[in-house]
Amino acid sequence: KAGVTQTPRYLIKTRGQQVTLSCSPISGHRSVSWYQQTPGQGLQFLFEYFSETQRNKGNFPGRFSGRQFSNSRSEMNVSTLELGDSALYLCASSYRTSGVNEQFFGPGTRLTVL
Amino acid sequence: GESVGLHLPTLSVQEGDNSIINCAYSNSASDYFIWYKQESGKGPQFIIDIRSNMDKRQGQRVTVLLNKTVKHLSLQIAATQPGDSAVYFCAEGVQGGKLIFGQGTELSVKP
Repeated sequence: KAGVTQTPRYLIKTRGQQVTLSCSPISGHRSVSWYQQTPGQGLQFLFEYFSETQRNKGNFPGRFSGRQFSNSRSEMNVSTLELGDSALYLCASSYRTSGVNEQFFGPGTRLTVL
Repeated sequence: GESVGLHLPTLSVQEGDNSIINCAYSNSASDYFIWYKQESGKGPQFIIDIRSNMDKRQGQRVTVLLNKTVKHLSLQIAATQPGDSAVYFCAEGVQGGKLIFGQGTELSVKP
């Protein structure tokens, strides 16, 4: 089975712009979660989608949003980029339908905001 | 944020020795725990997990121990190899499929 894929792998944007990141989960996985990783804050949960519905959300401002499509692929969007949004954005997929179990991570998208 | 990432603690071991990486978790209600390994430039890779109804679980060269009384988790790696060098994260599973990650420990294996 192919693993979780994320595109693009690297991205450079300037302040005020917006960005869309894409994630394709492992085949058969319907849950997709997004995390932000920075040296200062570590790995932080952004949100989780299941069957095209957001089921859980972390403590991030409304500039961070996401969606999931009927084929379980997911996108996250960050609007009005700030310098502090520079981070590695990780997507993880899981076969879970309820509760919690292992999440499999993609390689991440490295976003740099100038 | 809920995950605090300060200066990573570092564990340095000799090749062939056993490694023990420790982690404290915060939520008494957490019923699922997981260890990840992250190499430079890659996403976290699943190592082993354990549910709260267990105290110990073994995998290939790895063992996870869970002490719910003191909210402590540990990862033991037997016969550590240079390829084990990476940052190791513990995470606790809370409601809604959310994982809360620890700050990570950098493991350095000396040949």
